[in-house]
Order: sequence, then structure tokens, then C-alpha cells
Amino acid sequence: GQNIDQPTEMTATEGAIVQINCTYQTSGFNGLFWYQQHAGEAPTFLSYNVLDGLEEKGRFSSFLSRSKGYSYLLLKELQMKDSASYLCAVRVQDSNYQLIWGAGTKLIIKP
Amino acid sequence: ETGVTQTPRHLVMGMTNKKSLKCEQHLGHNAMYWYKQSAKKPLELMFVYNFKEQTENNSVPSRFSPECPNSSHLFLHLHTLQPEDSALYLCASSQGGTGGYNSPLHFGNGTRLTVT
Repeated sequence: GQNIDQPTEMTATEGAIVQINCTYQTSGFNGLFWYQQHAGEAPTFLSYNVLDGLEEKGRFSSFLSRSKGYSYLLLKELQMKDSASYLCAVRVQDSNYQLIWGAGTKLIIKP
Repeated sequence: ETGVTQTPRHLVMGMTNKKSLKCEQHLGHNAMYWYKQSAKKPLELMFVYNFKEQTENNSVPSRFSPECPNSSHLFLHLHTLQPEDSALYLCASSQGGTGGYNSPLHFGNGTRLTVT
């Protein structure tokens, strides 16, 4: 079967660093996406990894290890506005290149 | 800011009602999607349209009926829903075809549906 695991909830302090992990077991792999979703709003695209390694984009970085079926999203210099859910999704190798989604990690930032 | 607009934002309907959700994208994409989002569950893909042709129907009950008149508009027609259908319904778009496999989805803000 297809499965993606993420922690349900994490708490971190403003100004600190937090790492949100995502592990996957899927039928084939065609890339991994991270999305941010604030309460009551649309999920918005953060990053895409298809090769092993770290992709850095400002305060956010995303890492992928295909051999381990593992990714993480690293958020630095946390701000209160980073309080949101973070969704991990893997594009699988079916005829439609569909996405398999994790249930999301709710990140709570405290002052 | 989102290039995908969904209406209405909130909808309350009885089990015998008929209503429709509307989605419009202004991004020039060729693929459009309906997803169901329930609390603490992964996004559930319902329907996919690629270049106006339905390419995915994930065993969705017939009380949900999609319509895609052109590549910019997508509807979800609802009738005789059940209380367990209460959820956030998200529309998304992306570049279509096999060339768009690394193209991210762009989501609308969703319709919060409550079935009473």
C-alpha cells in the first residue's frame, strides 16, 4: 500500500529552528512536495524535491533521501506567522502521476 | 493571493437539497482537481480533469457529480448528501499532461460544507 507518515503536532519557540519529518512508502517515486496551510486557507506550495539532498529557500529548507524514503522540512528563525499545518505529498509513478498525501503536521509557535 | 477562486466559502445544506460548488482558475492551467479535506486526515482526491477530460474518479459516491465545461472552470454538483460528507472541499489546478508531473498544485480557499 501507499503510506506517508508525519507527526500530528509540534510546538516550537519564536526565533528557534524546527524540523518536520516525513517518511513514505509508495509505489514508485516522482518527487516530494511540501505545502503550508494556515487555518481556513488554501494550502500553498513551499518546495519540491526529486533528487537527494537539501534545497534551500530563504528561511525554509527541504531535504530528501530517496533510499531511506525520508524527507524533512527545516524552518529557521521561526516567526508567529509560521504557525500552520505542513503537508507532505509524494507523486507516484502511476498513469496519472497522482499525489499521495500525509495527514499534515500542525506547528504551533509560542512567544 | 490565489489564482484559484472557489465559491461559496461556506455552505450548509440539508440531506435532500441540491447545491453546486464552483471553482475558477486564472493561471492558464490545463488540469483541475477536487479534493476532500477532513480533520486530521490526508487530502482525499475525488476527481481529476486533464484538458477537460475526466482522468480520475476515486470511487466517489454518485451523490457527487463533477462538471468541467472548459479548462478554467470546474463544478461539483451535490445531491442527497450525508452528514459524513461534511468537510472542506478544495479545488486545485496545475499544468496538465505528463509534462506537468513536477508542477505544483495551486489550491483555492475551499468550501466549508456542513450537511445537516
